[in-house]
Amino acid sequence: QVQLQESGPGLVKPSQTLSLTCTVSGGSISSDNYYWTWIRQHPGKGLEWIAYIYYTGRTYYNPSLNSRLTISVDTSKNQFSLNLGSLTAADTAVYFCARVHDSPYSARFDPWGQGTLVTVSS
Amino acid sequence: QSVLTQPPSVSGAPGQRVTMSCTGSSSNIGAGYDVQWYQQLPGTAPKLLIYGNTNRPSGVPDRFSGSKSGTSASLAITGLQDEDEAAYYCQSYDSSLSGWVFGGGTKLTVL
Repeated sequence: QVQLQESGPGLVKPSQTLSLTCTVSGGSISSDNYYWTWIRQHPGKGLEWIAYIYYTGRTYYNPSLNSRLTISVDTSKNQFSLNLGSLTAADTAVYFCARVHDSPYSARFDPWGQGTLVTVSS
Repeated sequence: QSVLTQPPSVSGAPGQRVTMSCTGSSSNIGAGYDVQWYQQLPGTAPKLLIYGNTNRPSGVPDRFSGSKSGTSASLAITGLQDEDEAAYYCQSYDSSLSGWVFGGGTKLTVL
């Protein structure tokens, strides 16, 4: 059974870069059948899709975050990572990683990691 | 402002049936893209509840059902139970944004 686990700093200063890693266990990140994605949830709010990556390194970013984002994959470690730059308080959120089934047009997210709270504050 | 619109809250008594809506547009649900539903219990990660508009993953009770028509989708829960109290989110693909979008979520209260 595939499990995902986010890791990274809980507190980051404004203007700095956030780096998060998602470790996949119980399955290979190099599967042809799946994409891998990051999603965030602002406190008390809804969900916002951030970006996805395929094990080959192919990526797609949310256009509203594109200029500040980099997502990468390390197949040797069965991990994928998120870098989000020029942080502001508006980036304070719980960040989830998830596995993506099916094509982008019919994609579903399952399973999800437990999420990690990132607070942007000086 | 979410691309998909959901009512902020719905409520029902144990045993009752409740429905919640997810309204989109011609660039997402109305374009024929699939709708998924997720259940988020307090303090936990979302869990896939319905995919491909009407399909339940294994382990999801058949009390949960999804439907889609035009630019909207709906989630129905029958035989409401206390443990169904959670937030429910719809999700689809949007061709204008070229990415995945969510609804703002509906908080279900079991009275």
